[in-house]
Amino acid sequence: SVLTQPPSVSGAPGQRVTISCTGSTSNIGAGYDVHWYQQLPGTAPQLLIYTNRNRPSGVPDRFSGSKSGTSASLAITGLQAEDEADYYCQSYDTSLRGSIFGGGTKLTVL
Amino acid sequence: EVQLVETGGGLIHPGGSLRLSCAASGFAVSNNFMSWVRQAPGKGLEWVSLIYSGGSTYYADSVKGRFSISRDNSENTLYLQMNILRAEDTAVYFCARVKEYGTIYHREFYFDYWGHGTLVTVSS
Repeated sequence: SVLTQPPSVSGAPGQRVTISCTGSTSNIGAGYDVHWYQQLPGTAPQLLIYTNRNRPSGVPDRFSGSKSGTSASLAITGLQAEDEADYYCQSYDTSLRGSIFGGGTKLTVL
Repeated sequence: EVQLVETGGGLIHPGGSLRLSCAASGFAVSNNFMSWVRQAPGKGLEWVSLIYSGGSTYYADSVKGRFSISRDNSENTLYLQMNILRAEDTAVYFCARVKEYGTIYHREFYFDYWGHGTLVTVSS
């Protein structure tokens, strides 16, 4: 994938975890925003964070996003069992002339 | 309430064709950007195609020349015509409404609503 994410992260209930998303000068580093999606097992992706740090209505404030340089991060605080899912970052790439996704990160709540 | 319902998936032989449909409700596809995104079994998400509200279309290199995105405004439905299918096209295909913003020189997109997906299996 053009955007690099760790394959997996884990944490105990109540803990804080972060998921990184590393791009390049043709996407995140070119000033393009990063968006995050949560995909619960067996379901379609859902928008979690848009334009780097904004939450759609209904998304708890335990989820937050940030962006700096050629990377972005998703932070989840107060981990809950229901947060166990795959998380994907997404941006735009000027070289590929299309939207791009990270490879996805599987979050396990221990 | 925004809803997207995909249909048309199934088992198809390599080299065959298939047309996917995505029926929208709660908004007009004609006034929005729309996309198809796919997910191979056990793999991540891959953007496939985009149609602007004005009708311009864009494709990932992996499907360019084989897939065609279109819409029927009267039916409020998005389509994906898939030709010359290959084994590597096997995936769940999601349609998604696209939120577009920025400028003509720096246009950006994200996917604010997704359908449940339809499975396409290309195998002999």
